[in-house]
Amino acid sequence: AAGVIQSPRHLIKEKRETATLKCYPIPRHDTVYWYQQGPGQDPQFLISFYEKMQSDKGSIPDRFSAQQFSDYHSELNMSSLELGDSALYFCASSSGLAGGLGIETQYFGPGTRLLVL
Amino acid sequence: QQQVKQSPQSLIVQKGGIPIINCAYENTAFDYFPWYQQFPGKGPALLIAIRPDVSEKKEGRFTISFNKSAKQFSLHIMDSQPGDSATYFCAASSNTGKLIFGQGTTLQVKP
Repeated sequence: AAGVIQSPRHLIKEKRETATLKCYPIPRHDTVYWYQQGPGQDPQFLISFYEKMQSDKGSIPDRFSAQQFSDYHSELNMSSLELGDSALYFCASSSGLAGGLGIETQYFGPGTRLLVL
Repeated sequence: QQQVKQSPQSLIVQKGGIPIINCAYENTAFDYFPWYQQFPGKGPALLIAIRPDVSEKKEGRFTISFNKSAKQFSLHIMDSQPGDSATYFCAASSNTGKLIFGQGTTLQVKP
């Protein structure tokens, strides 16, 4: 079965550079979530999109922005990178949005490991 | 402030043992409680999930027990195997869908 695809899998950047992470959800999934996981920590919710609209926002720095495109893939743009941004970034997708439709299972991608030097 | 508190932080059991991982939450708006398994360098994978209208759910060797009044839930792994060695996260979600994770439990199952 098709899974969530994330690219790149590994990324090395210098401080103050920019990075773009891409997420391709499972086919027919219309909801995308982004999470950040620091070493030895639990995943922290950053932002989510449903039907190309932002549906929720968590602890995402102002230096980060994200969007979901017409084909439902999503991109997380990170600017002015800091050492503390080094982490695993996961994208998850689901079919449908929580709330009136009920909670749908989130399927996680393999992650992008970002290292900021 | 950690909205979902998980314990223990680490756990070592012998093969065949029954590790138990506990989680507690405060926000009564949470209405979906999944457990995820994560291997090093991999994404979390859903194991089993429960809603508060059910007190127990079993899928294969994995069982969730849920106590709504105490706002606690736990994961039991029956007949644990070395291949179960991983980090386990409980999580909670409300109507927005975003997952709030516990701190994680690193499980080691010794042969």
